[in-house]
Amino acid sequence: EAGVTQFPSHSVIEKGQTVTLRCDPISGHDNLYWYRRVMGKEIKFLLHFVKESKQDESGMPNNRFLAERTGGTYSTLKVQPAELEDSGVYFCASSWNGDPYTEAFFGQGTRLTVV
Amino acid sequence: DAKTTQPPSMDCAEGRAANLPCNHSTISGNEYVYWYRQIHSQGPQYIIHGLKNNETNEMASLIITEDRKSSTLILPHATLRDTAVYYCIVSLGTASKLTFGTGTRLQVTL
Repeated sequence: EAGVTQFPSHSVIEKGQTVTLRCDPISGHDNLYWYRRVMGKEIKFLLHFVKESKQDESGMPNNRFLAERTGGTYSTLKVQPAELEDSGVYFCASSWNGDPYTEAFFGQGTRLTVV
Repeated sequence: DAKTTQPPSMDCAEGRAANLPCNHSTISGNEYVYWYRQIHSQGPQYIIHGLKNNETNEMASLIITEDRKSSTLILPHATLRDTAVYYCIVSLGTASKLTFGTGTRLQVTL
């Protein structure tokens, strides 16, 4: 079975441009999470979807970030316009909703570099 | 989520047991202790979790003190591939976010 898949693995964009990251969770996982690690910092939570609904978006840094999960399957995270401080690794994770204490499965991450 | 405290780094010889401690003195009654690790630049990987009983799986054992204020992750026979940053996280489960701290960087050596 495929794990959590993220596209692209790397992205280099100029400041002011737009970038869209994609996450395909494990099939059947209703919970989908976005995290990121900016340079030298800890991994930080961004938001949590349950199916297509945003359960918790308390970690979204500002309104330049927009996350969607249409149809409750894959999710996208758009950064518009990108700033230098957005550089980092963006991780997506998913978990099954049938067990409230089950683990989250993480993707390999998208390394975003804003120049 | 309760805050956790871990030593910043530890070394372990290959083949020996690695014991990684974690303090979580403010844990609440319905919070679980989770352990994840991040190998190099990969995504975090789940290891084990528990509430109050000791747990064991194919990867590790988790020992939680009776007052639940601390725990120890045990890798029984560490290998070079276990070199990673290990995170102890207290969480309500899938309904809540994972709060990663700075973790413990475990270096397994020959």
